[in-house]
Amino acid sequence: DAGITQSPRHKVTETGTPVTLRCHQTENHRYMYWYRQDPGHGLRLIHYSYGVKDTDKGEVSDGYSVSRSKTEDFLLTLESATSSQTSVYFCAITVGQFTEAFFGQGTRLTVV
Amino acid sequence: AQKVTQAQTEISVVEKEDVTLDCVYETRDTTYYLFWYKQPPSGELVFLIRRNSFDEQNEISGRYSWNFQKSTSSFNFTITASQVVDSAVYFCALSLQGDSSYKLIFGSGTRLLVRP
Repeated sequence: DAGITQSPRHKVTETGTPVTLRCHQTENHRYMYWYRQDPGHGLRLIHYSYGVKDTDKGEVSDGYSVSRSKTEDFLLTLESATSSQTSVYFCAITVGQFTEAFFGQGTRLTVV
Repeated sequence: AQKVTQAQTEISVVEKEDVTLDCVYETRDTTYYLFWYKQPPSGELVFLIRRNSFDEQNEISGRYSWNFQKSTSSFNFTITASQVVDSAVYFCALSLQGDSSYKLIFGSGTRLLVRP
């Protein structure tokens, strides 16, 4: 158990509203990631962080922003949710260079 | 460009059959890491194995085995004597030594259904 907690676990929101997903880790790992999972695409990287206030874009970052003000928390924000952002979102951490990633339980987001 | 292909979208087998899940990867990096993850119906992602590009030894863990072949850029996963509990989506993933983000590049997954 890598001590990763995502909240909320499920959310339904309306198009155009802002949404923030939270990822919390208990073990002070430096690298944290947000992925989205969609049928036929596997998991795709949205953003990642390599330290407090250090973040960078992934493959599918349009429409998303992130913040990391504390080592333990990595927030993903959809500024204005769209139906194409309906997905399952996973937070992940890596415990060292080129080691396996450990994932949170996922957040199922539905934009109606 | 880096890419992972899992061409088998869905596989259905009867319990006790052996099944192989294919994974083909593309990269120009000489040092890289390959992974397999399992996603059972409950939705969590479970790490199964990591292999680096310099280690082509096959790996066996109980009923699971992995065949890594650099010549064909493949990292296939075999379940021997499948069980209903093996029903899940399985993902193959790639990580590159030259990528300072250490991110994983995932295939699209193979859904395995093991019928009693």
